[in-house]
Amino acid sequence: NAGVMQNPRHLVRRRGQEARLRCSPMKGHSHVYWYRQLPEEGLKFMVYLQKENIIDESGMPKERFSAEFPKEGPSILRIQQVVRGDSAAYFCASSPPSDYLYANTQYFGPGTRLTVL
Amino acid sequence: AQTVTQSQPEMSVQEAETVTLSCTYDTSENNYYLFWYKQPPSRQMILVIRQEAYKQQNATENRFSVNFQKAAKSFSLKISDSQLGDTAMYFCAFMKHGGRGVGSQGNLIFGKGTKLSVKP
Repeated sequence: NAGVMQNPRHLVRRRGQEARLRCSPMKGHSHVYWYRQLPEEGLKFMVYLQKENIIDESGMPKERFSAEFPKEGPSILRIQQVVRGDSAAYFCASSPPSDYLYANTQYFGPGTRLTVL
Repeated sequence: AQTVTQSQPEMSVQEAETVTLSCTYDTSENNYYLFWYKQPPSRQMILVIRQEAYKQQNATENRFSVNFQKAAKSFSLKISDSQLGDTAMYFCAFMKHGGRGVGSQGNLIFGKGTKLSVKP
């Protein structure tokens, strides 16, 4: 049973470019979460999605950031016009459907390290 | 708003010894979940142990156990027989119960972490 997959693992962008981060949840998982980790910090919640729906985006910056989880394919976190302050590790996590016993448990991918030059 | 505090930025322990990492949290919720995750140098976030607040019994997973004190809002992690592979950042995390379905879905709130070094 493959774990949560994220790609790319490392992404380098120049200021003003777009960054697209992909996340494939564990098989059977229908909930996806995105978190950001700045150096020497814990993870900060950004957005929570189910298939085709954004459930909670309270941690997402209002501008330049967007996320989707289409019916088919991976979840995408998109950052437009990147700035140096966007440099961070971005983690995706997934969890099973709500009627599962451990639906509350999130399993993390390996993360994408974004560097903005 | 919920907060999670880890008061020990760094700790070290000798191989085969026991170490306890502290975590306190603040919430007005009665139903919630608590987790410990470890992040080794590979940066992968790995679930160590989880605790449901409604359960009085402390969770255990092999060499890892917790001391959950609900009234004190304390959730410490004990690692017994420490191994070199336990060297990592350890994060305490809180999730409130959404009240829908068997489980709940919601975001995790993390502490700033404790850097644990296991020395040979």
